[in-house]
Amino acid sequence: AQSVAQPEDQVNVAEGNPLTVKCTYSVSGNPYLFWYVQYPNRGLQFLLKYITGDNLVKGSYGFEAEFNKSQTSFHLKKPSALVSDSALYFCAVLRYNTDKLIFGTGTRLQVFP
Amino acid sequence: SAVISQKPSRDICQRGTSLTIQCQVDSQVTMMFWYRQQPGQSLTLIATANQGSEATYESGFVIDKFPISRPNLTFSTLTVSNMSPEDSSIYLCSVAGTAIQETQYFGPGTRLLVL
Repeated sequence: AQSVAQPEDQVNVAEGNPLTVKCTYSVSGNPYLFWYVQYPNRGLQFLLKYITGDNLVKGSYGFEAEFNKSQTSFHLKKPSALVSDSALYFCAVLRYNTDKLIFGTGTRLQVFP
Repeated sequence: SAVISQKPSRDICQRGTSLTIQCQVDSQVTMMFWYRQQPGQSLTLIATANQGSEATYESGFVIDKFPISRPNLTFSTLTVSNMSPEDSSIYLCSVAGTAIQETQYFGPGTRLLVL
């Protein structure tokens, strides 16, 4: 079965420190991977995606993600966290040969001043 | 990316009633989807809204409970029928282009509370 796992319910980090939000996947075929962010009382906003090419993908708001095929991971990273980055982050993968997204359970990122 | 709006943004409804949620896009899109996000949980795909034909429902979701319309390439509605408190969720529409790997963009969501 195809799935996405976000092993951490919450990640806490101090402002200015680097942050990592973890995501691992299990899919048939080549993975198409996405990260979204959800701010309180808002819809989902697209951050970045990996389709093919460079393993390091750069996205919005200074975020980047590294695709690692051997570890089946797609961790979200940012070199220096901001308090305004505090939100709920979702990793997602396209179900094989469809246009349907499978979402992880979400990771709440809390950045402390 | 497309600008997506949803109406209403939130509502409080009585059990046994129905609510229709609208999703409007500022440009023509190929794919439109409806998701549910139950409190504290992730997103679950309800159905794909097909223009001019019946929606394609995911396992666990049925047309009688969640009828969907899509009369054109910029608009869709989702009705939550005969509501119960278990239907309290955020309902989101999303849109995408033709290619499978194209990004899905989401509307702001409709926050529904059923009493």
